[in-house]
Amino acid sequence: GAVVSQHPSRVICKSGTSVKIECRSLDFQATTMFWYRQFPKQSLMLMATSNEGSKATYEQGVEKDKFLINHASLTLSTLTVTSAHPEDSSFYICSARSLSGGRPEAFFGQGTRLTVV
Amino acid sequence: AQSVTQLGSHVSVSEGALVLLRCNYSSSVPPYLFWYVQYPNQGLQLLLKYTSAATLVKGINGFEAEFKKSETSFHLTKPSAHMSDAAEYFCAVSDPPFNFGNEKLTFGTGTRLTIIP
Repeated sequence: GAVVSQHPSRVICKSGTSVKIECRSLDFQATTMFWYRQFPKQSLMLMATSNEGSKATYEQGVEKDKFLINHASLTLSTLTVTSAHPEDSSFYICSARSLSGGRPEAFFGQGTRLTVV
Repeated sequence: AQSVTQLGSHVSVSEGALVLLRCNYSSSVPPYLFWYVQYPNQGLQLLLKYTSAATLVKGINGFEAEFKKSETSFHLTKPSAHMSDAAEYFCAVSDPPFNFGNEKLTFGTGTRLTIIP
């Protein structure tokens, strides 16, 4: 299957700083990428959907000014957590949709563990 | 609103024994259902999916799941566990139509499967 690379896998940052997480589709073009958040022992929750070249669509309750999403190319989407606070500590997972073969299918990155201290 | 309940956050089985991971869903319309597997430090990988065709769905690595509308269940099974099956398993639901890339996936909390040698 297609490969989605997410970087970094782990990051620790100080409160008030910003952190950027990258999601790359390595061997396919992804017109749509999705960002999920997972709290310990809880479900993956969709944060936003990004389409290449357009603004991301955020789910209800997700602060778009805090979680900046950029999908500048068909192989890269970034999530920037701005002015991070300890409550932003979580596991963030991206997913990219491939349209190859006429069958859209979603592939997931390995996730990023963010710890804000 | 859709929801997914995975009974048992941790399941341990002996190598060679039957694997049974439970998933119950709640949906106002006939759903599409999925099982994903996540190995340590890797992304989510699609195991199998139910999309209103055959109720018994076969997936990769010898796993299968049966959609039971009367029980609102979609339990995942494998006749004989292998050490390599140790991973986190997620059940997910989506309203149709679904093209395997729909962003509106609702995930369960996951079940960690441990294989005892």
